[in-house]
Amino acid sequence: RKEVEQDPGPFNVPEGATVAFNCTYSNSASQSFFWYRQDCRKEPKLLMSVYSSGNEDGRFTAQLNRASQYISLLIRDSKLSDSATYLCVPNSGGYQKVTFGTGTKLQVIP
Amino acid sequence: DAGVIQSPRHEVTEMGQEVTLRCKPISGHNSLFWYRQTMMRGLELLIYFNNNVPIDDSGMPEDRFSAKMPNASFSTLKIQPSEPRDSAVYFCASSPVGGGIHEQYFGPGTRLTVT
Repeated sequence: RKEVEQDPGPFNVPEGATVAFNCTYSNSASQSFFWYRQDCRKEPKLLMSVYSSGNEDGRFTAQLNRASQYISLLIRDSKLSDSATYLCVPNSGGYQKVTFGTGTKLQVIP
Repeated sequence: DAGVIQSPRHEVTEMGQEVTLRCKPISGHNSLFWYRQTMMRGLELLIYFNNNVPIDDSGMPEDRFSAKMPNASFSTLKIQPSEPRDSAVYFCASSPVGGGIHEQYFGPGTRLTVT
């Protein structure tokens, strides 16, 4: 089983729609979780950190289910500027070490 | 404030040549990471340093790859000899230390093409 599994997509959604991505991780010892976004031909940038059961930041909500070892990202009222690849990132043990998922591609359509 | 700086931004070289990628982390950050990204394998951690000391190099593909961090403001990733399968985008990232796992700040990457 891969350390981190994500549906690669693409998810094509109209502007204003709500979209959700799931991510499963295999390391039950993971304590810290992140979502990064990566625009085409750019570097990844942190979108959200996920602590406890979840986190909310404006239109973005991340939820963590430790029992089932998955985290989700919900985007409400999608904007064209949300088009990007979203990377799920649990820490993978070891000092400061994290594992990046291969990402879910989102395309918001006018 | 300057972010993570990488050079060169693009590198095209022939198989068998030596390639050196450079990184300057954000001032004050104690952890530095080298990643490689390809369409097939996504973003893979190659090696990371803490306070200039290599902590985990289990992701370094083979002996052709080596990384150094001679001081807190500079790191290199060297490939010798290079092969076409090394073609990828190589990212350097830095992170502060202490109080748990922190956000990693990525440089713009070096796009390497080996012909």
